[in-house]
Amino acid sequence: DTGVSQDPRHKITKRGQNVTFRCDPISEHNRLYWYRQTLGQGPEFLTYFQNEAQLEKSRLLSDRFSAERPKGSFSTLEIQRTEQGDSAMYLCASSLIGRGARGNEQFFGPGTRLTVL
Amino acid sequence: AQSVSQHNHHVILSEAASLELGCNYSYGGTVNLFWYVQYPGQHLQLLLKYFSGDPLVKGIKGFEAEFIKSKFSFNLRKPSVQWSDTAEYFCAVTAQAAGNKLTFGGGTRVLVKP
Repeated sequence: DTGVSQDPRHKITKRGQNVTFRCDPISEHNRLYWYRQTLGQGPEFLTYFQNEAQLEKSRLLSDRFSAERPKGSFSTLEIQRTEQGDSAMYLCASSLIGRGARGNEQFFGPGTRLTVL
Repeated sequence: AQSVSQHNHHVILSEAASLELGCNYSYGGTVNLFWYVQYPGQHLQLLLKYFSGDPLVKGIKGFEAEFIKSKFSFNLRKPSVQWSDTAEYFCAVTAQAAGNKLTFGGGTRVLVKP
């Protein structure tokens, strides 16, 4: 399977604990995006990388959130001191910008569903 | 900042009925427009996209959408739905000037009764 993969698919944690999610994009995709989707809402942008550089962070991304893409391939999203309001589906998407690619079609992974008790 | 509005939160219709989902966006510059679909238990998949050219775009599974620039709209249509079209549909917009991040509408849940 050459699509976007995310791990874990589900995570249940207690309030105050730290969690880390991983995203493996489609190989050769230079852009990687993180979104958050809560029940009944559309996904909301959190942050994105071009190669290893984090180019933008949403104001939704509080200081408790940090994302990395150290080698320009996979990415991790860490949430420290989780709160019940962090419960959501965390989606990762990747795309190819430049190199003749037309527009910006983003391919989504299956998401990680986080439940904070 | 761009925003996207989807007119209907829930739509219920019978098989063979026609479907039209409204989408309006707010952004003053050049945009790319998308419709994504999320079938029950599955991840977001692209239905169709508009970058430039013919404003009537055709996607997978018989879906099409029309970009009307003057109305800032990108409505999704399908002439005859099937039970398998039961899903949640999301309209989204990106703008190169805004990092090409997707801004989604709130989604429309479509239930097709057999």
